[in-house]
Amino acid sequence: NAGVTQTPKFQVLKTGQSMTLQCAQDMNHNSMYWYRQDPGMGLRLIYYSASEGTTDKGEVPNGYNVSRLNKREFSLRLESAAPSQTSVYFCASSLQELAKNIQYFGAGTRLSVL
Amino acid sequence: GQQLNQSPQSMFIQEGEDVSMNCTSSSIFNTWLWYKQDPGEGPVLLIALYKAGELTSNGRLTAQFGITRKDSFLNISASIPSDVGIYFCAGVFNYGGSQGNLIFGKGTKLSVKP
Repeated sequence: NAGVTQTPKFQVLKTGQSMTLQCAQDMNHNSMYWYRQDPGMGLRLIYYSASEGTTDKGEVPNGYNVSRLNKREFSLRLESAAPSQTSVYFCASSLQELAKNIQYFGAGTRLSVL
Repeated sequence: GQQLNQSPQSMFIQEGEDVSMNCTSSSIFNTWLWYKQDPGEGPVLLIALYKAGELTSNGRLTAQFGITRKDSFLNISASIPSDVGIYFCAGVFNYGGSQGNLIFGKGTKLSVKP
């Protein structure tokens, strides 16, 4: 069972470079999310998509853009990477039903910006 | 903004010991979730709680949804080496007009006693 698949698993960028992190889920979930995880900070929401065709900002959206390509795929783009964006990025999806928002996570993308 | 205070930040376990951790907030949540993260992996759901006062078990794990809806705790009985990892609490709340987003605690790191 694939669940939530993220690519790439690792990436090193130079300051100013751009890249797109890919995420796909095969659970027919309506909602998808992007988080970043930094030491001692837990998981912080960057952007989310409650349903196909909609996206909204989370707690830390600055420096990022997202695209909900279809129901399965939700990508995160860094237009001009900065060292402060060095982090582990997680994609998640859920079949959000009112308060029952159980999110399933991918294995993460470890990004270093030099 | 919403905040979850998770404690302890870290603890050492010896095989066979019971372990307790908790999350508190000044805000009310509709749902509490407990996740575990192994090194190099994404968080995996352990227990979901939907009603104030609810007590739910999953094997050696037991979690409770506080009566005030502002706290939750997780107990692990008779710990084993594979319990090592980072445990996160998460609360479901309304965010930006879209129902059901999560906010995470900063995690409790379980390590084996040297």
